[in-house]
Amino acid sequence: KAGVTQTPRYLIKTRGQQVTLSCSPISGHRSVSWYQQTPGQGLQFLFEYFSETQRNKGNFPGRFSGRQFSNSRSEMNVSTLELGDSALYLCASSRQQSWDEQFFGPGTRLTVL
Amino acid sequence: KNEVEQSPQNLTAQEGEFITINCSYSVGISALHWLQQHPGGGIVSLFMLSSGKKKHGRLIATINIQEKHSSLHITASHPRDSAVYICAATPYNTDKLIFGTGTRLQVFP
Repeated sequence: KAGVTQTPRYLIKTRGQQVTLSCSPISGHRSVSWYQQTPGQGLQFLFEYFSETQRNKGNFPGRFSGRQFSNSRSEMNVSTLELGDSALYLCASSRQQSWDEQFFGPGTRLTVL
Repeated sequence: KNEVEQSPQNLTAQEGEFITINCSYSVGISALHWLQQHPGGGIVSLFMLSSGKKKHGRLIATINIQEKHSSLHITASHPRDSAVYICAATPYNTDKLIFGTGTRLQVFP
């Protein structure tokens, strides 16, 4: 069974631009969660989707948004990029609930210049 | 104060040593996860537990719900165990994870 895939793996953007990251969960998994990891703040929860609905959201500004499609694939979007958005963005999938075992993707490393 | 605290932050060990990493949390939880992150970023879920004890090979995880505390033990440590170990908790009635700051483990031959 294929693991969680994320595209792109690396991305360089400039301040003010927007970016869209993609996550394909393990087949049969319906919950997708997104996380941001930075050296200063560590891992932080962004949001979680289940059956195309956002069930939980972390403490991030409205510039961070996401969605989930009917095939459980998910995208997250960051608009008006800031230098502080440079981070590793990880998604994880699980069967039903985010507190089921989580399977992480390799991450997308975003650099904002 | 973080809702999930880990100790120690850094740990150095000689190959073969028994290692313990601790995690304390301040909220009621549905589950506690132990994760492993190697250089380069990839994260692997080691354990998910809500009570008692689980064992996979040389790794053992325990949780004490009353004391809001969990431990990850590595027996007969090996240099390939060198990684960052992260505990994460799912508070009741949510579907999100709150992470500890991680413990960086280095095992030397």
